[in-house]
Amino acid sequence: DVKVTQSSRYLVKRTGEKVFLECVQDMDHENMFWYRQDPGLGLRLIYFSYDVKMKEKGDIPEGYSVSREKKERFSLILESASTNQTSMYLCASRWGATAGELFFGEGSRLTVL
Amino acid sequence: TQLLEQSPQFLSIQEGENLTVYCNSSSVFSSLQWYRQEPGEGPVLLVTVVTGGEVKKLKRLTFQFGDARKDSSLHITAAQPGDTGLYLCAGDFGGKLIFGQGTTLQVKP
Repeated sequence: DVKVTQSSRYLVKRTGEKVFLECVQDMDHENMFWYRQDPGLGLRLIYFSYDVKMKEKGDIPEGYSVSREKKERFSLILESASTNQTSMYLCASRWGATAGELFFGEGSRLTVL
Repeated sequence: TQLLEQSPQFLSIQEGENLTVYCNSSSVFSSLQWYRQEPGEGPVLLVTVVTGGEVKKLKRLTFQFGDARKDSSLHITAAQPGDTGLYLCAGDFGGKLIFGQGTTLQVKP
């Protein structure tokens, strides 16, 4: 079974802190994604990556950056957390460029005070 | 920016009723997927449709992809309490997977 593991289920940070959200997949998937999920807004794409060291902006990249130094790991970075970044963050991976199934982690709920 | 409009956003029905959820866009998708999410978990894939006009069935769930590949629907026949959850459509735009706002379905016994 494919497993996507997110490092923290719950985090509480203060405004201005730097936040790292880690995601690891164990199926050698090429594509990895970071979404945030907010009630009534569905999942919004922050960044995605086709390969190691490759990254593409999604629809809401402002305030975020990503890192993909190894194929299995995709990190989301909040350089200076703000209260409007309080949300559920979901990492996903899939093999291939299109029509493939997305496998999601369980999510990381971030609260910024 | 590609947008997917999903409707309704919330649906509360009695066990045994039928329902349809819609997913619409002005853009053409290369493929469309439907996911279901339960509280505390990530979404899980239900189906992928690729060809315009395609219809797929998964037990009591019927998925249809529009002829022009701009819209899709999910129909549930004789809903059961176990169908309760968040249903999400997702359109693939050249490798970028965009999700609709989701439909929260509550099926009461």
